[in-house]
Amino acid sequence: AQSVTQLDSHVSVSEGTPVLLRCNYSSSYSPSLFWYVQHPNKGLQLLLKYTSAATLVKGINGFEAEFKKSETSFHLTKPSAHMSDAAEYFCVVRVYGNNRLAFGKGNQVVVIP
Amino acid sequence: DAGVTQSPTHLIKTRGQQVTLRCSPKSGHDTVSWYQQALGQGPQFIFQYYEEEERQRGNFPDRFSGHQFPNYSSELNVNALLLGDSALYLCASSEDRDGYGYTFGSGTRLTVV
Repeated sequence: AQSVTQLDSHVSVSEGTPVLLRCNYSSSYSPSLFWYVQHPNKGLQLLLKYTSAATLVKGINGFEAEFKKSETSFHLTKPSAHMSDAAEYFCVVRVYGNNRLAFGKGNQVVVIP
Repeated sequence: DAGVTQSPTHLIKTRGQQVTLRCSPKSGHDTVSWYQQALGQGPQFIFQYYEEEERQRGNFPDRFSGHQFPNYSSELNVNALLLGDSALYLCASSEDRDGYGYTFGSGTRLTVV
């Protein structure tokens, strides 16, 4: 079964410093991977997605992620954190053979002024 | 173009009661999925509807049921509510032939007391 693992449930970064959120996936097939962001009392917003095209994926708000098959990873990065980046971030894999999504447990990001 | 609309936004119910949550998908989308997000957790897949039928189901008891209407809108019903059913319920719509374009609603916050 496909799944994703997110380490570091809580991440604190200073404004203006890089953000790194780690995600490792488990899949017997070439996975489709996503990162979603959830602001307080809001729904989920798609940041970016990987669907077996370019391994470096650029998303909204300056975020990007790199698919590394050798490391089974899909880490999310941003060069410079902004206060508005404070939110919860989910790494997600599309389950092979159907279009349901399996979510990681999430990273709660706090941005320190 | 309206995205996914869910109603109500908040709901308080008593143990043992029944509840119905509603979802209107994004225009052009024909598939609706429901997810349960407990506090501090990632969303968990409940079930998915396509062509007015339940196409697949996650690991949830039969107390959770649903329906899809000819206009693609959907309802989630939960019977015999338990305290553990307290969660944010998210609806996601997609186009069946495109397994990557999911749009999430802002959710319904259900509190069972």
